[in-house]
Amino acid sequence: DTAVSQTPKYLVTQMGNDKSIKCEQNLGHDTMYWYKQDSKKFLKIMFSYNNKELIINETVPNRFSPKSPDKAHLNLHINSLELGDSAVYFCASSQTGALNTEAFFGQGTRLTVV
Amino acid sequence: QKEVEQDPGPLSVPEGAIVSLNCTYSNSAFQYFMWYRQYSRKGPELLMYTYSSGNKEDGRFTAQVDKSSKYISLFIRDSQPSDSATYLCAMTTSQGGSEKLVFGKGTKLTVNP
Repeated sequence: DTAVSQTPKYLVTQMGNDKSIKCEQNLGHDTMYWYKQDSKKFLKIMFSYNNKELIINETVPNRFSPKSPDKAHLNLHINSLELGDSAVYFCASSQTGALNTEAFFGQGTRLTVV
Repeated sequence: QKEVEQDPGPLSVPEGAIVSLNCTYSNSAFQYFMWYRQYSRKGPELLMYTYSSGNKEDGRFTAQVDKSSKYISLFIRDSQPSDSATYLCAMTTSQGGSEKLVFGKGTKLTVNP
């Protein structure tokens, strides 16, 4: 049973399109994240949600809009896709309350904008 | 200066070698220090975490933290081909009531049989 699952796994789309990536976790965690990993493997936090509330927004362009319908889901919608958005996007979850809490990652969504 | 600096490598070693991976950081607010391992086309998985300065061992893996120098290391003894992966150091701090993980760039390790 996959702990953090995201769909789709691969996404190829044209510049200017709008796309969504879905994420679900079945770990009962109350915090979920979106991370972006660029071609050089640098993993950078984009957003953090705690119990459906946005906590961290790391100066991400407002073309990126996360939505959390409940604490088990955190979706990412991207408007007007640009070439520079090509990357692997990882969803993750953790239990709030301890700084040593482990973050569990999904398998990633490889987005290619052409 | 980035908050967390990690030599991206890549690093290629023969099987059985001792591997040393290192990160430096600039933010004194970091409290927990972690190492994640990421296999190709997979998400990162937590390998080890430490809190205080000193060493922590787990099998063939030893994590070392020197808070005074803002330096952390991961040592892998008797490295195996199955250890081939990208290793990311990560550090946690609080932001807005949530935990925030800040990653290094990752070091790609290949262990050759």
